[in-house]
Amino acid sequence: GNSVTQMEGPVTLSEEAFLTINCTYTATGYPSLFWYVQYPGEGLQLLLKATKADDKGSNKGFEATYRKETTSFHLEKGSVQVSDSAVYFCALSGNTGTASKLTFGTGTRLQVTL
Amino acid sequence: DGGITQSPKYLFRKEGQNVTLSCEQNLNHDAMYWYRQDPGQGLRLIYYSQIVNDFQKGDIAEGYSVSREKKESFPLTVTSAQKNPTAFYLCASSRRPTTRQETQYFGPGTRLLVL
Repeated sequence: GNSVTQMEGPVTLSEEAFLTINCTYTATGYPSLFWYVQYPGEGLQLLLKATKADDKGSNKGFEATYRKETTSFHLEKGSVQVSDSAVYFCALSGNTGTASKLTFGTGTRLQVTL
Repeated sequence: DGGITQSPKYLFRKEGQNVTLSCEQNLNHDAMYWYRQDPGQGLRLIYYSQIVNDFQKGDIAEGYSVSREKKESFPLTVTSAQKNPTAFYLCASSRRPTTRQETQYFGPGTRLLVL
C-alpha cells in the first residue's frame, strides 16, 4: 500500500535559518504529492503540490521537488520566519479503485524563534 | 467567500451517546471526506463520498456513520460503538473524486472530547 515517511520533529530554528523537512514515499503508479500546513487549533491548508516527476511546487517561499528516482518530496525554505511555526504534513494522492485518497505522513512540528 | 464550515468547534460526548458533527461546503465540490487526527499522528480517513447518496468506508470506519443527502453537506455521527472517540475531526472536499491531481480543501475542524 501507499505510505509516507517524514522526519520526526520538533524542528527548532532561529529566524532566517534555512529549513529542510524530509519526506519520502512508497506508492504504486504515479502519485501526486502535497505539502499541507496546520497552524495551532486549525484545519490543514495546502502549501504546495506537484503532480509529476521533476515538477517543483512553490508557495510563500517554500519549495519542494518531486524526485521519482529517490521517491522524495523534501520541503525547503531559504529563510524562515516566526510566523512559519506550525505542523507540516507531507501527503500523496493515488487512485485506489475509483476514488483518489490522500495518505499522510505523521507531521513535522516546526518552531522558529527570534 | 467559498469554503468549508464545521460545527461545533468543540463537542463533548457522554458515555453511550451518539453525537453528530456538521460539515458544509459551498465550493460546489463533488467529493467530501472525513478524517480523524490524533496527537502526534497523521490524518486517517474515516469515510468519503464521491456523489450524493453514495459513500464508502475509509481506513477506520468502525463506530462511525455518515450520510450524503445534499451535495453541500456530509455529517459524521460518532456512535457509542466508537470506544475511543476523543480526537480532532477534519472534513475536506475536492472538486472531482477520481483525479489524483485534485487538491483536497479542509475545514477548521471539530475537537471531540469525552466526559
